[in-house]
Amino acid sequence: NAGVTQTPKFQVLKTGQSMTLQCAQDMNHEYMSWYRQDPGMGLRLIHYSVGAGITDQGEVPNGYNVSRSTTEDFPLRLLSAAPSQTSVYFCASSTQDRGPSGANVLTFGAGSRLTVL
Amino acid sequence: GQNIDQPTEMTATEGAIVQINCTYQTSGFNGLFWYQQHAGEAPTFLSYNVLDGLEEKGRFSSFLSRSKGYSYLLLKELQMKDSASYLCAVTDSNYQLIWGAGTKLIIKP
Repeated sequence: NAGVTQTPKFQVLKTGQSMTLQCAQDMNHEYMSWYRQDPGMGLRLIHYSVGAGITDQGEVPNGYNVSRSTTEDFPLRLLSAAPSQTSVYFCASSTQDRGPSGANVLTFGAGSRLTVL
Repeated sequence: GQNIDQPTEMTATEGAIVQINCTYQTSGFNGLFWYQQHAGEAPTFLSYNVLDGLEEKGRFSSFLSRSKGYSYLLLKELQMKDSASYLCAVTDSNYQLIWGAGTKLIIKP
């Protein structure tokens, strides 16, 4: 059981380049999301999805696109990279049903560290 | 606006007890999470509180007071492996998670 798998772990881009961060989960979770984590700030939600074919914007969606063609995969696309997008990106998933504690616990991928020069 | 406040950094001694506080102001409340994040790794779930009171889970306990907008995470019998950042997050009325910036806990021998 791999959980949430993110690739690549590290990436360096030049301003204006595009790239896709891959995220896959094997837990049959309906909910998937992308966060960015910057020093001194809380995790910020970029985009999320509650099921295949459904996506929605989070707190900081500008400059990013997502799609959800299958339950398992939720790629994040940077259309034209900017230095402000230098960050650590986390993909996270959860079930829609609340567990025994009543919580939708997020399972995070290992993170992707992106540097934009 | 919505806000979660935690101390930026705390230092404690191996074997001791430490309390990490979290205060929140959010649009509604549907639960509070604590996650642990070791440097360079992903956050992992520690605890969840939705009702007032103390939830105990081994060496870790989490307390919630909804009327005060306050929670704390209590770590007992500190071990070196507890050196990590501890993230407080609140689920608001729209079931969106609002995250604090995290508290970096440094454990000294």
